[in-house]
Amino acid sequence: QSVLTQPPSASGTPGQRVTISCSGSSSNIGSNTVNWYQQLPGTAPKILIYSNNQRPSGVPDRFSGSKSGTSASLAISGLQSEDEADYYCAVWDDSLKGPVFGGGTRLTVL
Amino acid sequence: QVQLVESGGGLVKPRGSLRLSCAASGFTFSDYYMTWIRQAPGKGLEWVSYISISSSYTNYADSVKGRFTISRDNAKNSLYLQMNSLRAEDTAVYYCARSKWNYDPFDYWGQGTLVTVSS
Repeated sequence: QSVLTQPPSASGTPGQRVTISCSGSSSNIGSNTVNWYQQLPGTAPKILIYSNNQRPSGVPDRFSGSKSGTSASLAISGLQSEDEADYYCAVWDDSLKGPVFGGGTRLTVL
Repeated sequence: QVQLVESGGGLVKPRGSLRLSCAASGFTFSDYYMTWIRQAPGKGLEWVSYISISSSYTNYADSVKGRFTISRDNAKNSLYLQMNSLRAEDTAVYYCARSKWNYDPFDYWGQGTLVTVSS
């Protein structure tokens, strides 16, 4: 049982826009910034979005993040086949004094 | 370029021990917090432990507290995880990752090393 709640799966067709939600609490999302990681099949996770909505260099602007209260969202526009991956939200938890992750969302491009 | 390379994984019996290593290169190792994160087969990511820049502060997930010990050697640009009293539920790929502070995002990850606990 993960501290952060994500839908286990999401899907879309090429060119569509999909969103992935991440729900937490006042001790994590409610008081800290959210990061998103992308894990392509068989590889290590990679930072996708940090500080709620910042993209590291090299990440396409098709990826965007937002946060409101104790929830966050990752949006992917202009969906491409190479976006098929697992996506994880993560945030520092003040109570646990450590980072917590969502259970992950598997994105399928139909 | 930044590289994190884990090693030391393998097959170990329940109640056995294993020591993982993470060799860092391409950046000033002593400027970063280091963290171990694991992923059980087919499951999500789970934070295991982190260590501060000077090793003065460490913290552990409840699931490994008292059994695992994190350490680092800044002179050797290396991070370690001593795992004792291993259980079947510790079976996972173990990643090392770096961050500027313990609450910062993990901007680089290693490729992972698989630990299998089975009789």
